[in-house]
This record gives sequence, structure tokens and C-alpha cells, in this order.
Amino acid sequence: AQRVTQPEKLLSVFKGAPVELKCNYSYSGSPELFWYVQYSRQRLQLLLRHISRESIKGFTADLNKGETSFHLKKPFAQEEDSAMYYCAISGGGADGLTFGKGTHLIIQP
Amino acid sequence: SQTIHQWPATLVQPVGSPLSLECTVEGTSNPNLYWYRQAAGRGLQLLFYSVGIGQISSEVPQNLSASRPQDRQFILSSKKLLLSDSGFYLCAWSVLEPAGEQYFGPGTRLTVT
Repeated sequence: AQRVTQPEKLLSVFKGAPVELKCNYSYSGSPELFWYVQYSRQRLQLLLRHISRESIKGFTADLNKGETSFHLKKPFAQEEDSAMYYCAISGGGADGLTFGKGTHLIIQP
Repeated sequence: SQTIHQWPATLVQPVGSPLSLECTVEGTSNPNLYWYRQAAGRGLQLLFYSVGIGQISSEVPQNLSASRPQDRQFILSSKKLLLSDSGFYLCAWSVLEPAGEQYFGPGTRLTVT
């Protein structure tokens, strides 16, 4: 069975500091990995996906198949980055997503 | 543009009562539809998904059922609610490409008392 682990429930860093939100997964096959974000009073929305290899709002995430990890990183945190972040995995096609429990990121001024 | 609606936004129901949550999507055809639940202290759990009218796949055995009577309508139901059904229910839609990109509704907060 596929599983996503986000070890940190809460992560608090100061503005301008680097941020790394950890995500490890287990999946037998070639999964697709995603980061979703939920800002206060907003809907859950896609932040980035590993196949795009893109940087969104300064965030990047590299898929490490050897370590089965997909950590989310940003070199300089901003206050508007405060939100709940969910790592998710999909087997592709119409399958639903398997989410981690989420990490609450707080950026202190 | 596409939009997704859920109602009601909040619901308080007694144990043993029935449940009906509705989700509708506008601006797209033949979407894949999903119901997720977030219980206290847990992540988002996929409950049901549907690739077409009348086609429902259940991910976990439970006290709930889902139906898709129309292309853009997805309903979550229960005949008799349990305390453990309390949680935050999210509906989402997607198309096959790009895979995995799902669009979420605002959610329904269900409290079973």
C-alpha cells in the first residue's frame, strides 16, 4: 500500500531563513509526487508536482528515489508562506491522491 | 472557468441520523470526482472516486456511500451516522491530464453528536 509520511506537524522559522518540509513515501512502482498547500481561509490547492521540475513561489522539490523522499525547500522564507503543506502521491490516471498528515508552517517576522 | 461547489458548509447531526452532502462542478465535462475526509489528527483520506456517471470506486470500507447521478454531481451519503463520521469532507475534481492535479471545493465540516 502507498503511504506518505510528513514527520513534522509544525515547523516554525524566521522570515528570511531557509525552509525544508520533509516528505517520505512508500510505493511499489513509479509514483507521481505533489505538494499541496492550504493558506488560511483558502481552499487546498496544488503548489507543485515533481514531473514539472518547476519552482513555484520560490519553492522547489526534488524527487529522490533512492531515499524515497520529496522534500519541499525554499532558500528564504517569507511571511506569506505560512500555511498547511501536504505532500501527496498518485499512481497516475484517475486514481485519487494519498496525502500525508500535513505540516503547519509558521513564518515568524 | 471551472468551479466546484459543496454544501452545506457546516452540519451538526445526531448519531443515527442520515447524511447527504452534495458536490457540483461547473465549466468542465466528464471530470473525475473524489470525496476525501480529514478527521482530527489525521491526514486527508480518500473515500470514493468516480470516473463517470454511476461509476463509484470505494477506497475504504465504512459507513458511507457515494453516488454520481449526473456528470457533474457527486453525493456522499449515510443511512445512519456514527460519531466516528465527524470530520471535514472535501470534494475534488480532476481531468486525466495533467495527472494528479486535483481542484478542491471549500469543504463541509460535519459534527456528529
